[in-house]
Amino acid sequence: EPEVTQTPSHQVTQMGQEVILRCVPISNHLYFYWYRQILGQKVEFLVSFYNNEISEKSEIFDDQFSVERPDGSNFTLKIRSTKLEDSAMYFCASSAYRGSYNEQFFGPGTRLTVL
Amino acid sequence: EDKVVQSPLSLVVHEGDTVTLNCSYEVTNFRSLLWYKQEKKAPTFLFMLTSSGIEKKSGRLSSILDKKELFSILNITATQTGDSAVYLCAVTTGNQFYFGTGTSLTVIP
Repeated sequence: EPEVTQTPSHQVTQMGQEVILRCVPISNHLYFYWYRQILGQKVEFLVSFYNNEISEKSEIFDDQFSVERPDGSNFTLKIRSTKLEDSAMYFCASSAYRGSYNEQFFGPGTRLTVL
Repeated sequence: EDKVVQSPLSLVVHEGDTVTLNCSYEVTNFRSLLWYKQEKKAPTFLFMLTSSGIEKKSGRLSSILDKKELFSILNITATQTGDSAVYLCAVTTGNQFYFGTGTSLTVIP
């Protein structure tokens, strides 16, 4: 069964460093998403991506964040100059059609710890 | 201001019990409401609801949406220990998604 994969499973970084979280969506999916979940809190939408550009982004997704689909398979989230409060689980998701009308498949997540 | 509110926050039941989880929402340009089950890590999809009054069913789980009163319920009958998880409700507007804090369900043998 096809699945979304994410690497690494756990990333530890120093405050101020840049991190890149990687995702491989399901191969025939066209819509891609990043979410984060701070420990003990709700899942929060960050950004959606379609046709090589951002479709929607939340207030959380400021200039510190960027997304890219550098090739036909990977979908990355870059966090520049990480802060302590960026520590969270980051989930990637993909869907075949626009997310409002279609199931999203979530990856297993990357736990980011900023020290 | 919370756009999606789930209740109860947590629930402990015995195997075989029936549970009802609630989700109320307040968003503009509502498109659909989704239910997810989150065990250890990633949420897994359960249902997507777009129309009022039409029950979606999968085994012992069922869900229904009321777009007039702006809420949805998720029912689980004959609960099993494997149903223990956090159940998340999310509402979409276009490509924005708003999640509730979830209901933590614990099923005791």
